[in-house]
Amino acid sequence: SQTIHQWPATLVQPVGSPLSLECTVEGTSNPNLYWYRQAAGRGLQLLFYSVGIGQISSEVPQNLSASRPQDRQFILSSKKLLLSDSGFYLCASTRGTDTQYFGPGTRLTVL
Amino acid sequence: GDSVTQMEGPVTLSEEAFLTINCTYTATGYPSLFWYVQYPGEGLQLLLKATKADDKGSNKGFEATYRKETTSFHLEKGSVQVSDSAVYFCALHPGGGYQKVTFGTGTKLQVIP
Repeated sequence: SQTIHQWPATLVQPVGSPLSLECTVEGTSNPNLYWYRQAAGRGLQLLFYSVGIGQISSEVPQNLSASRPQDRQFILSSKKLLLSDSGFYLCASTRGTDTQYFGPGTRLTVL
Repeated sequence: GDSVTQMEGPVTLSEEAFLTINCTYTATGYPSLFWYVQYPGEGLQLLLKATKADDKGSNKGFEATYRKETTSFHLEKGSVQVSDSAVYFCALHPGGGYQKVTFGTGTKLQVIP
């Protein structure tokens, strides 16, 4: 089965600072990769998904961007964080199945 | 478009009580249906799934039956434990090579001793 790694686990950043969250996948190749955000007490919001290297689809216009420089690496970035970017960020992967495998998440607090 | 509606939480139950969390969906075609569970501070993990009408998914004492006639996939457990306290998400995958999953908003379950 797939194992999803995310780091950092926790991050506190000032408004206006840059952001880089990383996700890597073990146990499969050529997965579909996803970034979700979960605001406090709310459901999952799909931010980006990727079906291959350099292929990114954006679901929500926002202050964030995503990149996939390698097959099993997915990065979420921002040039200038906003207060509204605070939340729990989850990376997920699928490969040859409709089941999503999730990483442990990164809790981002923007102050 | 596709959508998933699940009951509002939080749900608070005493240990050994019966649990039902309702989930209904709207989709074209023949979607697969899922329940994911999220324990505090963690990512989501698959609890159970069903891929066609009348299938029953089960795991760890939880069950859900894919009801196409009522477009529902309710989660049940006969006797909950404190360790079942978590947020439960109903989800739908439309199939046919489509890439995205639609999630419900989640239902928080708290089980008290």
